[in-house]
Amino acid sequence: GDSVTQKEGLVTLTEGLPVMLNCTYQTIYSNAFLFWYVHYLNESPRLLLKSSTDNKRTEHQGFHATLHKSSSSFHLQKSSAQLSDSALYYCALSENYGNEKITFGAGTKLTIKP
Amino acid sequence: EAAVTQSPRNKVTVTGGNVTLSCRQTNSHNYMYWYRQDTGHGLRLIHYSYGAGNLQIGDVPDGYKATRTTQEDFFLLLELASPSQTSLYFCASSDGTISGNTLYFGEGSRLIVV
Repeated sequence: GDSVTQKEGLVTLTEGLPVMLNCTYQTIYSNAFLFWYVHYLNESPRLLLKSSTDNKRTEHQGFHATLHKSSSSFHLQKSSAQLSDSALYYCALSENYGNEKITFGAGTKLTIKP
Repeated sequence: EAAVTQSPRNKVTVTGGNVTLSCRQTNSHNYMYWYRQDTGHGLRLIHYSYGAGNLQIGDVPDGYKATRTTQEDFFLLLELASPSQTSLYFCASSDGTISGNTLYFGEGSRLIVV
């Protein structure tokens, strides 16, 4: 079945440094959607950005990601971390093939320090 | 903005107890999901549904039943609760590929089984 791998469980960075959170996936479906969700403490998870287009950069709220189907990757990046970016980040995959099953990775907890 | 409401928000039950978690969405979405969130495991799909009377098995269904009574209401049932089911449960809805499978999450239901 489908799977999503987020290798880093915890990432701690200093404010102002670049952010890169890794996401790789496995699926047999060529038109899968890839997502990044952000979960702030005491809030509900919400969509940060998504893509189904190969090699196209997607941006939202200062974050960006590019879906690379050749390497099955969808890494999340930001040029300069802010304290308010501290949260739990989930990469997710949707088969987009009719049954709408959505699979999440284990999540990466990002902590930004002053 | 999609509205997904869960109840109860917090629940403590004993081992072997019977628990029902409720979820209602008011955005006419066809798809509804139940996930559990655990540190180190991320969001894991328990059950999902694409309409009233429909039920699809997720990745961690053991010990859980679910029922979709209407388009708005999706229930998660734990008939013999065990300590391993202590978790934070999220309900989510989506209109499927119309919006690229974006999930809208409820506030979460924290369950403790003692």
